[in-house]
Amino acid sequence: DAGVIQSPRHEVTEMGQEVTLRCKPISGHDYLFWYRQTMMRGLELLIYFNNNVPIDDSGMPEDRFSAKMPNASFSTLKIQPSEPRDSAVYFCASKITGELFFGEGSRLTVL
Amino acid sequence: AQRVTQPEKLLSVFKGAPVELKCNYSYSGSPELFWYVQYSRQRLQLLLRHISRESIKGFTADLNKGETSFHLKKPFAQEEDSAMYYCALSRGSTLGRLYFGRGTQLTVWP
Repeated sequence: DAGVIQSPRHEVTEMGQEVTLRCKPISGHDYLFWYRQTMMRGLELLIYFNNNVPIDDSGMPEDRFSAKMPNASFSTLKIQPSEPRDSAVYFCASKITGELFFGEGSRLTVL
Repeated sequence: AQRVTQPEKLLSVFKGAPVELKCNYSYSGSPELFWYVQYSRQRLQLLLRHISRESIKGFTADLNKGETSFHLKKPFAQEEDSAMYYCALSRGSTLGRLYFGRGTQLTVWP
């Protein structure tokens, strides 16, 4: 398995634009997580899914953020409209039990 | 509620010196503890977990339930150990999310 795959790896956009980040979890994993990493706050859990169902979205900062998991092999995190303070590295991760496997992250810069 | 605390945001040591990254947790049940490492601009990856009781890259960590700690130790630090280290807690291997500490940036000087 190629591991958790995220795209794009880098995204530079202007304030107000819509951003969509994508994630393909490891096949067979039934949990999927979206994290945001910044220097100030460290690693923050935004939302996680179990069997494609959102379980906890209390970490989603605002209504501008939304996440979907239409099937077991794909998830998106959308920010609309984006703001400079959304600049961060966004990680997707998946697991069955125990160990969490991370993607390489999507580095977002909002100008 | 469960919480993971890493009191040191930054830690610097010289090559060959011992290093200890501190992790304390609060959880009333029986947790599973992990250390994750992130090398510069790479993905986070599992370094070790307490149930496996193994040494990885010379690092060890012992779960101390009395002190609710899971400190990461290495007797002789190497320059390639420079990375961000995150301590994480799970309420049980089948119970969903991991709770992460805020991380400790370790720098090993030559």
